[in-house]
Amino acid sequence: DAGVIQSPRHEVTEMGQEVTLRCKPISGHDYLFWYRQTMMRGLELLIYFNNNVPIDDSGMPEDRFSAKMPNASFSTLKIQPSEPRDSAVYFCASSLGGQGGNQPQHFGDGTRLSIL
Amino acid sequence: QKEVEQDPGPLSVPEGAIVSLNCTYSNSAFQYFMWYRQYSRKGPELLMYTYSSGNKEDGRFTAQVDKSSKYISLFIRDSQPSDSATYLCAMRDDKIIFGKGTRLHILP
Repeated sequence: DAGVIQSPRHEVTEMGQEVTLRCKPISGHDYLFWYRQTMMRGLELLIYFNNNVPIDDSGMPEDRFSAKMPNASFSTLKIQPSEPRDSAVYFCASSLGGQGGNQPQHFGDGTRLSIL
Repeated sequence: QKEVEQDPGPLSVPEGAIVSLNCTYSNSAFQYFMWYRQYSRKGPELLMYTYSSGNKEDGRFTAQVDKSSKYISLFIRDSQPSDSATYLCAMRDDKIIFGKGTRLHILP
């Protein structure tokens, strides 16, 4: 079975450019999560969706970040304009039925983003 | 005080040793406690979860939760080089919070 698929795996771009990260969740999963991981702050939840509807975006750092889920099989995280402090590994995860515990989140392999 | 504290390591132990990984937390509302394993350049994968206090065993892995002390542990018996990874604790009430992870190296 295919897991969570993220693209691109690596992205290097200059400050001020628009960055779009993509995620295909596991088929049938009804929750989708976007995380950011850095050495300093660890793994932080940015936003999550239930049945394609954003439920909690309180972790989105600022208005430069936006996320959409137009259908059950696709989500995007966009940064516009990008800044060097946005450099991190961004993970997408999906689950069936919730945030964790007995509903494990399945993570993709992440997008390593570098903003120069 | 941060919500979840985890020693970043690295922790290096010889193959076959018992490994103890720990997290402390401050929010008494946490009910679900999880351990994720993350290999280099991969996403985290759920290793174990526990609801409320107590122990849970799965093969070489044992998870312990002590809610009175706000302290959780993961024990790995008969550690193998393939156990070398970063281990993240996680816990939630209405929102999941991850520790920063402990890097573990098992020396052959």
